[in-house]
Amino acid sequence: AQSVTQLDSQVPVFEEAPVELRCNYSSSVSVYLFWYVQYPNQGLQLLLKYLSGSTLVKGINGFEAEFNKSQTSFHLRKPSVHISDTAEYFCAVSGLSGGSYIPTFGRGTSLIVHP
Amino acid sequence: DAGVTQSPTHLIKTRGQQVTLRCSPKSGHDTVSWYQQALGQGPQFIFQYYEEEERQRGNFPDRFSGHQFPNYSSELNVNALLLGDSALYLCASSLRGTGAETQYFGPGTRLLVL
Repeated sequence: AQSVTQLDSQVPVFEEAPVELRCNYSSSVSVYLFWYVQYPNQGLQLLLKYLSGSTLVKGINGFEAEFNKSQTSFHLRKPSVHISDTAEYFCAVSGLSGGSYIPTFGRGTSLIVHP
Repeated sequence: DAGVTQSPTHLIKTRGQQVTLRCSPKSGHDTVSWYQQALGQGPQFIFQYYEEEERQRGNFPDRFSGHQFPNYSSELNVNALLLGDSALYLCASSLRGTGAETQYFGPGTRLLVL
């Protein structure tokens, strides 16, 4: 079984400030890790993913995340946010089950960027 | 290149009715997964179709069923609708066998059950 905990339901931040959205996971098998963004009334868009190799992963829109196996974390960061980054962010873990990788999503973190 | 498309965009039904939602995967993709996203929650996996067969299933009752066609498009059927079935239903497509299973999501169908 696998699970994802997004530690903050809402993160308010001012424009141009740095931000970190936290994600912890648990799994009995090796996993792949993902961050998705969902803008209002839209589907999910992949920001970045960790498969293997370097623990620092760079994604689209200036986001990056660091995989920490010992702390089972995959926190998302951006050094300077824009108003347009206001959206819902979902962390997901995907482990092999029955021959397929099925992701389990966290409950989401609402990033609110104030001017 | 068209991404994942879903129809309809919105739907209103009453309790006890049946509904069918449709999904066309991204060009070149052969696997379709369906998710239910309740308000304020993350997506929950319903099931996945590959080669016209249900390959994986989440913790959803048999009222939820699906189908995949030879052109890889898919349908989600929900029978005997309950108020709690009100949600955004997301379809995601991927290419099976790539290992990391990056999924591409459609915009969703918003279902309201009255």
